[in-house]
Amino acid sequence: SQTIHQWPATLVQPVGSPLSLECTVEGTSNPNLYWYRQAAGRGLQLLFYSVGIGQISSEVPQNLSASRPQDRQFILSSKKLLLSDSGFYLCAWKRTGTGGHEQYFGPGTRLTVT
Amino acid sequence: EDKVVQSPLSLVVHEGDTVTLNCSYEVTNFRSLLWYKQEKKAPTFLFMLTSSGIEKKSGRLSSILDKKELSSILNITATQTGDSAIYLCAVLRYAGNMLTFGGGTRLMVKP
Repeated sequence: SQTIHQWPATLVQPVGSPLSLECTVEGTSNPNLYWYRQAAGRGLQLLFYSVGIGQISSEVPQNLSASRPQDRQFILSSKKLLLSDSGFYLCAWKRTGTGGHEQYFGPGTRLTVT
Repeated sequence: EDKVVQSPLSLVVHEGDTVTLNCSYEVTNFRSLLWYKQEKKAPTFLFMLTSSGIEKKSGRLSSILDKKELSSILNITATQTGDSAIYLCAVLRYAGNMLTFGGGTRLMVKP
């Protein structure tokens, strides 16, 4: 079976500090990977997605970046955090090819920028 | 630009009530609509709908898609406190890798 991990679970960082959130998937190969942000218990905003190693598509211009150094690893980064970066960050994966349309989510990281 | 709108924004009911949550969409080359339940952390997948008029059912939850009206409903019968959550609707288009999510409906079921 497949599992998806995210860490850390919670993070409090000062404005201007760097950020690195990590997501890994087990039990599947060549998944599509996604980073979302969710503000105040509302809908999900897609930030980045990746269909393969080194392939990143950005959906919203901001001071965040993403990288996919390995097939099942997806990293969200920032060089300098802003207050507006606070939120709940979710990573998700989806089967490629003719697999299902559904995405499966990790447990999330709650980021507070102070 | 794809658009997904959910209503109501929030809902408070008592145990045993039946609720209907709505999702409407505007998307080019619609492929499927998905429902998720989010309690505290990760959204969990409930249903995927691709064809109009075919009801998907799981226990007390059911959902149906109306492609003519560009909408879907999620019904929960005999609600329980454990149904309290945010319910998210999302759409997928053909030749796309991304889901577009609605803003969610926050359901609270009181004992």
